[in-house]
Amino acid sequence: DVKVTQSSRYLVKRTGEKVFLECVQDMDHENMFWYRQDPGLGLRLIYFSYDVKMKEKGDIPEGYSVSREKKERFSLILESASTNQTSMYLCASSLSGIATNEKLFFGSGTQLSVL
Amino acid sequence: KQEVTQIPAALSVPEGENLVLNCSFTDSAIYNLQWFRQDPGKGLTSLLLIQSSQREQTSGRLNASLDKSSGRSTLYIAASQPGDSATYLCAVKTSGSRLTFGEGTQLTVNP
Repeated sequence: DVKVTQSSRYLVKRTGEKVFLECVQDMDHENMFWYRQDPGLGLRLIYFSYDVKMKEKGDIPEGYSVSREKKERFSLILESASTNQTSMYLCASSLSGIATNEKLFFGSGTQLSVL
Repeated sequence: KQEVTQIPAALSVPEGENLVLNCSFTDSAIYNLQWFRQDPGKGLTSLLLIQSSQREQTSGRLNASLDKSSGRSTLYIAASQPGDSATYLCAVKTSGSRLTFGEGTQLTVNP
């Protein structure tokens, strides 16, 4: 089975801190994604990457950046954390995104609180 | 822009009941539709994926159908159990690798 691992289940940070969220997948997937999930707003795509060092903005990229130096690792960076970035962050991966039968696999999520 | 709606937002049923969850989408030009399960405070687990050329998929007590022309999908759960209690989300893939998610239906199965 595909395993997508997020390094932290819970994080508490201060306003203005630089925050790194790490995600690792073990199935040689091309595509990796970062979503945030908020009550009443559902899942929203922040950034995704379809190859090493490649990235594309999702629907809500403001205040975030990403890094993909190795195929298996995709990092989300909050340059200067703010209280409105308190949320559940979910990482996901898929094989290549070309075939119509490819599933999306999620990590367990990181609940980030910015105080 | 694709929009995905799930109705109802919450559903409570007694154990053993058969139930249907609904998902509708506005753009019928989809590649596939996935149903996911999410337990509280956890990530999403893929349950079923229906390709655009398919009408339905089955896995155990779960059956998902797809009607692209009307922009609808249903997830049928047979003989529900308390362990089925979770939030169920549907998501459609319309272009590239991006999915659009509904907000989910929160299901409670009472013993």
